[in-house]
Amino acid sequence: QQQVKQSPQSLIVQKGGISIINCAYENTAFDYFPWYQQFPGKGPALLIAIRPDVSEKKEGRFTISFNKSAKQFSLHIMDSQPGDSATYFCAARRGSARQLTFGSGTQLTVLP
Amino acid sequence: DTEVTQTPKHLVMGMTNKKSLKCEQHMGHRAMYWYKQKAKKPPELMFVYSYEKLSINESVPSRFSPECPNSSLLNLHLHALQPEDSALYLCASSQVGRPLDGYTFGSGTRLTVV
Repeated sequence: QQQVKQSPQSLIVQKGGISIINCAYENTAFDYFPWYQQFPGKGPALLIAIRPDVSEKKEGRFTISFNKSAKQFSLHIMDSQPGDSATYFCAARRGSARQLTFGSGTQLTVLP
Repeated sequence: DTEVTQTPKHLVMGMTNKKSLKCEQHMGHRAMYWYKQKAKKPPELMFVYSYEKLSINESVPSRFSPECPNSSLLNLHLHALQPEDSALYLCASSQVGRPLDGYTFGSGTRLTVV
């Protein structure tokens, strides 16, 4: 019930292409879904987040799409750049809980 | 100041040593966290402090001992660690009661136990 399943494990995209990372959850009590970006040797950094009462949120080249009925959400990176090469983690949190449940991570490589 | 600062950045310690990891933030966040991250894995929660009180301990072995001396500082005391404890140790902080603000993570301490 606490799992967040993330796919794919790794992703290679050409510069200018669209990167898509998917996550699925089971616990319907989750009500906050952030995405984190992590570069080697650094801590995760909050990229974008969404609440389940919104179906889509866009910030620059990054968009979260949320499907509440399917219990799925995804990150789209438009016009992917080599500087976007990093590991991306989806996560979920329940209400006022202090714990984030992380997905397993996706290593994105954007080729120049 | 919008950063979480962790020191040291790298630490090598023997299995009989005692060392401490330090974390500091000046964002007024009243929740602070310790995470452990192994290579190519997501962060795993170890401890949560809320208003300087330990609120969550994820069944972490007693060789890890957290301390929150004030609202800006968080320490992790290490003693008699095992080689499998080698990992990136991340500190994070967040506002209490404002879940949409997310967590701010530090850059971590890369710990190697020899």
